[in-house]
Amino acid sequence: DVKVTQSSRYLVKRTGEKVFLECVQDMDHENMFWYRQDPGLGLRLIYFSYDVKMKEKGDIPEGYSVSREKKERFSLILESASTNQTSMYLCASSPIGDSSMGYTFGSGTRLTVV
Amino acid sequence: GDSVTQMEGPVTLSEEAFLTINCTYTATGYPSLFWYVQYPGEGLQLLLKATKADDKGSNKGFEATYRKETTSFHLEKGSVQVSDSAVYFCALSDPSGGTSYGKLTFGQGTILTVHP
Repeated sequence: DVKVTQSSRYLVKRTGEKVFLECVQDMDHENMFWYRQDPGLGLRLIYFSYDVKMKEKGDIPEGYSVSREKKERFSLILESASTNQTSMYLCASSPIGDSSMGYTFGSGTRLTVV
Repeated sequence: GDSVTQMEGPVTLSEEAFLTINCTYTATGYPSLFWYVQYPGEGLQLLLKATKADDKGSNKGFEATYRKETTSFHLEKGSVQVSDSAVYFCALSDPSGGTSYGKLTFGQGTILTVHP
């Protein structure tokens, strides 16, 4: 069964901490995405990557960075966590050659910054 | 740019009622269309999709037809169950070239609650 795995389901971090959210996919997909989901705001794209070491900003990149050193792994980094980054974070992947495939999502990481 | 508009929720129904969640889109070219479902505390799962005009996607009793003339992809189910309570997202994929190829544009999501 193909999978996108997010390393943590729940995280609690303190304000100012550096936070790493990890995402691994086993489908050999080129594209990987990070979204955050907040009530009433839907899904908002933070960053995406279409290849190793390549990244593009999404709609809300401020306060975040990403790393893609290997094809299967896409990390989201909160350089200095703040309370307004408390949210559900969703990772997804998709193949680059077929726009009809859609995304495969991970189960999400619910991050609370205190 | 591309956009997806879903009916606003929340939608509350009794078990065995008929469900429609409206979705309309704006896109250049010929996008693929998707419905995703998110159960409480989970990520999104692909529910169904359609890749060209007049295609009907179906899964778990849900159906949606790709209507190019009305730019719509409404989700329907004839008889909902309590277990269908979830958030439903309509989405389209960018068929253009470049790094945005295949990138999804999502609607805002519709919360469905089904009571016994």
